[in-house]
Amino acid sequence: QSALTQPASVSGSPGQSITISCTGTSSDVGGYNYVSWYQQYPGKAPKLMIYDVNKRPSGVSDRFSGSKSGNTASLTISGLQAEDEADYYCCSHTSSITWVFGGGTKVTVL
Amino acid sequence: QITLKESGPTLVKPTQTLTLTCTFSGLSLSTSGVGGGWIRQPPGKALEWLALIYWNDDKRYSPSLKSRLTITKDTSKNQVVLTMTNMDPVDTATYYCTHEKWGEGWFDPWGQGTQVTVSS
Repeated sequence: QSALTQPASVSGSPGQSITISCTGTSSDVGGYNYVSWYQQYPGKAPKLMIYDVNKRPSGVSDRFSGSKSGNTASLTISGLQAEDEADYYCCSHTSSITWVFGGGTKVTVL
Repeated sequence: QITLKESGPTLVKPTQTLTLTCTFSGLSLSTSGVGGGWIRQPPGKALEWLALIYWNDDKRYSPSLKSRLTITKDTSKNQVVLTMTNMDPVDTATYYCTHEKWGEGWFDPWGQGTQVTVSS
């Protein structure tokens, strides 16, 4: 299984909205609604931000939202804040009953 | 509150076998639906899913690493153990323990991670 494809970096100014894409295949992203997103600060463990494509765990800001169309999932951060500067990873369940991560996207707040 | 704590060697030599232990607190590995697994991250690189074991001893492995991985659990100690054979410098990474509930498809929470360096 190949890693899901994410842009290496995305940037935006405070208050703006940005979207991170995550492209897979019909055997992973396109075939299941088990897409999740994780936020990771340098030197820290990842944190679950979105699960089941578009659901937020308790405590996660509603500025974070997820969606999916075909084989591509997306994470949108609205009202970008300095604290959102981090790496973001998507993850999908696969038809092999395993999981695959994306290559990660570095979000920079200008 | 569920907490996960990884433990194991920080340095292994090439060709050696790595054994990592994850201790669960606040959740029993014998409870229906509970799964414990491992994900790693080489320095400056992306996350890579490795393996998962469920309460019923169902096991899942990364296809690319399956031949080198073994995941087990010790319910008496509430621990998940990962062994990886024939270690190579490219296996240098932070290894994270995580929880996945059967059928839910996401990982939460995560342990703090344990750094493993492969070098002679």
